[in-house]
Amino acid sequence: QITLKESGPTLVKPTQTLTLTCTFSGFSFSSSGEGVGWIRQPPGKALEWLALIYWDDNKGYSPFLKNRLSITKDTSKNQVVLTMTNMDPVDTATYYCAKTWTARTGWGNWFHPWGQGTLVTVSS
Amino acid sequence: QSALTQPASVSGSPGQSITISCTGTSSDVGGYNYVSWYQQCPGKAPKLIIFDVNNRPSGVSNRFSGSKSGNTASLTISGLHTEDEADYFCASYRSSSTVAFGGGTKLTVL
Repeated sequence: QITLKESGPTLVKPTQTLTLTCTFSGFSFSSSGEGVGWIRQPPGKALEWLALIYWDDNKGYSPFLKNRLSITKDTSKNQVVLTMTNMDPVDTATYYCAKTWTARTGWGNWFHPWGQGTLVTVSS
Repeated sequence: QSALTQPASVSGSPGQSITISCTGTSSDVGGYNYVSWYQQCPGKAPKLIIFDVNNRPSGVSNRFSGSKSGNTASLTISGLHTEDEADYFCASYRSSSTVAFGGGTKLTVL
């Protein structure tokens, strides 16, 4: 069974840096094809893709947020970490991590399964 | 953010069929057979129901089907059930190793 779970602060102040961790089980980055992505959803709004990291450490970022995002993985711990700098109230959202798989690195495009999500509020 | 375009809402009666469209460009929906669809029930995480345009993950009802024509992908739900009432999102691979989501469609089963 594959599971993912997000963890991190529930409240951050404007201009601070957000660090979220996705801890997963049931698969490993030691296997070719595996990937983990981050997607967020402001309250009552649409999903927005943020970043993806692949088994070979290839990475992809949203072009709209690329300058603020960093994604890394720890294969031994089965974890993926997303960092977002210069947080703003408009970044208030539920942040999800989710698994993908692709035969070609950089081509991940679907997500299954998803973590339960973690609500991050940006406020002073 | 340049999202894929979906209707804000659709509705149908139990037993009917509905179709939700997802319009992009030749750089995403039209350029690749990498469209996926997600069902999100209130307060829950999204659930993958279609991937690679028209493939269903194991355990997803065959009442859900996907297709694509040009820059527009479609999700069809046949034989509507009341429990199909949810938000539905499309997504597509977009050039340069990125992913785009649609704005979401609220399905109401009357």
